[in-house]
Amino acid sequence: TQLLEQSPQFLSIQEGENLTVYCNSSSVFSSLQWYRQEPGEGPVLLVTVVTGGEVKKLKRLTFQFGDARKDSSLHITAAQPGDTGLYLCAGEGADGLTFGKGTHLIIQP
Amino acid sequence: GAVVSQHPSRVICKSGTSVKIECRSLDFQATTMFWYRQFPKKSLMLMATSNEGSKATYEQGVEKDKFLINHASLTLSTLTVTSAHPEDSSFYICSASFQNYGYTFGSGTRLTVV
Repeated sequence: TQLLEQSPQFLSIQEGENLTVYCNSSSVFSSLQWYRQEPGEGPVLLVTVVTGGEVKKLKRLTFQFGDARKDSSLHITAAQPGDTGLYLCAGEGADGLTFGKGTHLIIQP
Repeated sequence: GAVVSQHPSRVICKSGTSVKIECRSLDFQATTMFWYRQFPKKSLMLMATSNEGSKATYEQGVEKDKFLINHASLTLSTLTVTSAHPEDSSFYICSASFQNYGYTFGSGTRLTVV
């Protein structure tokens, strides 16, 4: 069974601060995806990283896939209250997606 | 883009009754559909994987007789919670995948069993 360790599980910071969420595994994934979920809604895909060492940017969000394709990070610059939500990483393997435990992010104005 | 429609979004049922949740892929044919369960402030837990026309594959610990999954067509999968009990109350989410579309999630169903 492939496992994804996601940290931190909870994070509350002030508006304007930077933060990084980590997703680590001992397994290799063909791709790794990051989702954001609002309460009462399904997860919405933010980005998919496929190539080891790949870096993708989505406005203030920077996603990185480790060289060995076992880990990933999400960095948010100058966080805003609208970034509040549950962030989930998910690794794609032969059996589909394996989700991390999620990071509950609260950005206080 | 790929859209997955999940209904109902909320349902309240009495203990002992059955509830059916539908998951439809609106603009693509979903080779595989996945059903997840999510507890408050927790991540998604995969319950089962279903391929069109074949029996679903259930994750360890998930009762297949309690959570009936039917994937009769390439655009529709249903999850029926049979003889529901309060402990079945949860947020259920479906996901569909097809080739280059990747994984698309439904908006979830909040089930409350009273």
